[in-house]
Amino acid sequence: QKEVEQDPGPLSVPEGAIVSLNCTYSNSAFQYFMWYRQYSRKGPELLMYTYSSGNKEDGRFTAQVDKSSKYISLFIRDSQPSDSATYLCAPYDFNKFYFGSGTKLNVKP
Amino acid sequence: DTGVSQDPRHKITKRGQNVTFRCDPISEHNRLYWYRQTLGQGPEFLTYFQNEAQLEKSRLLSDRFSAERPKGSFSTLEIQRTEQGDSAMYLCASSPRQGPNTGELFFGEGSRLTVL
Repeated sequence: QKEVEQDPGPLSVPEGAIVSLNCTYSNSAFQYFMWYRQYSRKGPELLMYTYSSGNKEDGRFTAQVDKSSKYISLFIRDSQPSDSATYLCAPYDFNKFYFGSGTKLNVKP
Repeated sequence: DTGVSQDPRHKITKRGQNVTFRCDPISEHNRLYWYRQTLGQGPEFLTYFQNEAQLEKSRLLSDRFSAERPKGSFSTLEIQRTEQGDSAMYLCASSPRQGPNTGELFFGEGSRLTVL
């Protein structure tokens, strides 16, 4: 079983839509949960992270973790064409990050 | 530019040849990571260093792979006797600290390896 499972998409939405991206994980010891964004032919960049269960909001982005069901979500409000990228969830265990396979998002103008 | 830099950005080689990639992390970062990413997949952990010490190696890292970080600054990743299955993007990342206040990973733009 993979440490992190993520639907690869691709996900195509119209501009302005609300986007929901999700991951599940298997290791109950994970405490930190990161979301990285990766544009084509670039390295990933940190979008935001949460600690333990709960929600965290940053502008149009909201990260949510439910540790009881081992479920991680990222919501994007008022999506923009510039949000078109691959989104990677990455739980962290103090030493290393475990990346999901990424969900490719395309926001159409 | 003070980000993570990787060299070369793209390497094409024939099967059986050796290749070496270099990573220069952000200068004050003591942790350095190597990841491998294939098309449609997320980065897979290969190894990481804290300063000059290599603290963990993935089982993905066969005997043909070796990484070093002399003096705790830049790092090199060498692949000997390359195989076609080694074709991937090799990503380097650095981090200023470890948990519990987790250290963000800053990635370079990667070194793409194509083995013919």
